[in-house]
Amino acid sequence: NAGVTQTPKFQVLKTGQSMTLQCAQDMNHNSMYWYRQDPGMGLRLIYYSASEGTTDKGEVPNGYNVSRLNKREFSLRLESAAPSQTSVYFCASRGTSGGRPFGPGTRLLVL
Amino acid sequence: RKEVEQDPGPFNVPEGATVAFNCTYSNSASQSFFWYRQDCRKEPKLLMSVYSSGNEDGRFTAQLNRASQYISLLIRDSKLSDSATYLCVVNLPGASYDKVIFGPGTSLSVIP
Repeated sequence: NAGVTQTPKFQVLKTGQSMTLQCAQDMNHNSMYWYRQDPGMGLRLIYYSASEGTTDKGEVPNGYNVSRLNKREFSLRLESAAPSQTSVYFCASRGTSGGRPFGPGTRLLVL
Repeated sequence: RKEVEQDPGPFNVPEGATVAFNCTYSNSASQSFFWYRQDCRKEPKLLMSVYSSGNEDGRFTAQLNRASQYISLLIRDSKLSDSATYLCVVNLPGASYDKVIFGPGTSLSVIP
């Protein structure tokens, strides 16, 4: 089992560029999440998907869109990147115990 | 008051020491509690769930105090490999989804 995988690991964008962060899990979990982590802020939920075909906003959704392509995959898109979106992005899923396995993260720098 | 608060530390302790972290939460209806550890530049990983009666996993003991609304993590016989940031996670009942709040984390450095 690979668990939760994410691509890319690192990305540098210029302001206004777009990109998609990919996430996949092989644990047959229904729920998947996108978080961002900033120094001193803790992990904040951007979007979540409770099941295939559904997505909803979390705490900080502005500037992002998501797609739950199938049960395995949940992508995060930045349509027009801004310096405030410089962060580390983590994808996670949710197991039956409530614990969330995380992907290895994507470090994004927006210049 | 923030929903989940932790002492950011850093806690610098010698190998073999016992160290304890506390985490306070504001919503008295919270039901699920977890401790995660996060190594530098890595993803958070589930360390242990916290049960009402308290639970132990090797050198790690988690406790829940509902009356005072805090959870604790005790690490005995600290190892160098325990150096990490420890995140307290609490669910937020009443949300339309399975919402959890991550604390900002407590940094631990175990020194030789």
